Amino acid sequence: DTAVSQTPKYLVTQMGNDKSIKCEQNLGHDTMYWYKQDSKKFLKIMFSYNNKELIINETVPNRFSPKSPDKAHLNLHINSLELGDSAVYFCASSLRSKPTEAFFGQGTRLTVV
Amino acid sequence: AQTVTQSQPEMSVQEAETVTLSCTYDTSESDYYLFWYKQPPSRQMILVIRQEAYKQQNATENRFSVNFQKAAKSFSLKISDSQLGDAAMYFCAYRSPQTGANNLFFGTGTRLTVIP
Repeated sequence: DTAVSQTPKYLVTQMGNDKSIKCEQNLGHDTMYWYKQDSKKFLKIMFSYNNKELIINETVPNRFSPKSPDKAHLNLHINSLELGDSAVYFCASSLRSKPTEAFFGQGTRLTVV
Repeated sequence: AQTVTQSQPEMSVQEAETVTLSCTYDTSESDYYLFWYKQPPSRQMILVIRQEAYKQQNATENRFSVNFQKAAKSFSLKISDSQLGDAAMYFCAYRSPQTGANNLFFGTGTRLTVIP
């Protein structure tokens, strides 16, 4: 069973489109995250949710909107896609009481053309 | 915010030899967590090893071990008996113990090449 799963793995879309990336975890974790990995491989936190509540919202354009319908899901919706949004987006999850563990999804490579 | 520095963008090692990847970090906190993640070409982020700052003993996981120097804020990863499958990007990461700050701060990564 996949612990943290993201869909889709690859996403190619045109500028100006709106797209969503879905993430689900079956680990019973209470905290979920979105990270962005740029073309230079640098990973940076975008959002963090704990029990469906937004905890961290780094400096990310308003075009990015996370949605957490329940503790096991954290989706990322992106409006009006721009060329600079091309990156790999990782979902991750952890348990607040166990800070030594964090599990990542396989990443979604988004390419905006 | 905490910063994590990996000063070696690329490293190479001969198969079966030992290699050490460097990581330093900046923090004013006394308790925290440190991690090394491996990212092979498959893109998956794989946890290699972790260290709790309050533990003086260096963590080990099979061929992987760390040299944790708290005063120097250094957390290097040693890979012994390197294998071809160890070739990957390696990321050092820091996590704060503060509630509500559970995210990881990553270094810029070190690309490790294993030479047969």
